[in-house]
Amino acid sequence: EIVLTQSPGTLSLSPGERATLSCRTSQSISSSYLAWYQQKPGQAPRLLIYGASNRATGIPDRFSGSGSGTDFTLTISRLEPEDFAVYFCQQYGDFFTFGPGTKVDIK
Amino acid sequence: QVQLQESGPGLVKPSETLSLTCTVSGGSISSYYWSWIRQSPGKGLEWIGYIYYTGNTYYNPSLKSRVIISLDTSSNQFSLNLRSVTAADTAVYYCARDQGTVSGAPGAFDIWGLGTMVTVS
Repeated sequence: EIVLTQSPGTLSLSPGERATLSCRTSQSISSSYLAWYQQKPGQAPRLLIYGASNRATGIPDRFSGSGSGTDFTLTISRLEPEDFAVYFCQQYGDFFTFGPGTKVDIK
Repeated sequence: QVQLQESGPGLVKPSETLSLTCTVSGGSISSYYWSWIRQSPGKGLEWIGYIYYTGNTYYNPSLKSRVIISLDTSSNQFSLNLRSVTAADTAVYYCARDQGTVSGAPGAFDIWGLGTMVTVS
């Protein structure tokens, strides 16, 4: 099973600041089969990024993904009030596993 | 647009079978991969298994011995049966559509249901 590790556990930032979230996988992910999701309390996860760097339909361009192999990054260029949430990475190269999440909260 | 809705009992007794149904509206179930995923405070997000529109299934090895996912194309629904449940199966259960990849393999989950809380007690 491929294990995903996310850092930091919590990121405290102010609106307008840049957020950089990390996801590391225990094995190299083929074809960059890595996705990022946003989840707010009481809601289902929402797909943001797939294929490591492709924005899903309707996702603002302040969200971007990068990386390959075992190291991936989600960047939110300028935080909007609605971006404070929990973010999960997920790999789908070897069935499916999720990271534990990074909480982005208001400083 | 495509929407998913989970339905089923919110309370299941230990050792019994958890049964949930996902109804797909706004689109046909006769394409894509369709998955069940659960989320609990202790184990985070855990993929349970998927069914392809052809009827092929693939399950998480850790749950494989207890899981059956089935498809009803006439009703545009797919279902989850998880037998011999324990308190560790208490979670929010989501159904989700897998958008697939360009090569036709399973991909990321682009549409999710609202989720349904199931307690084993």
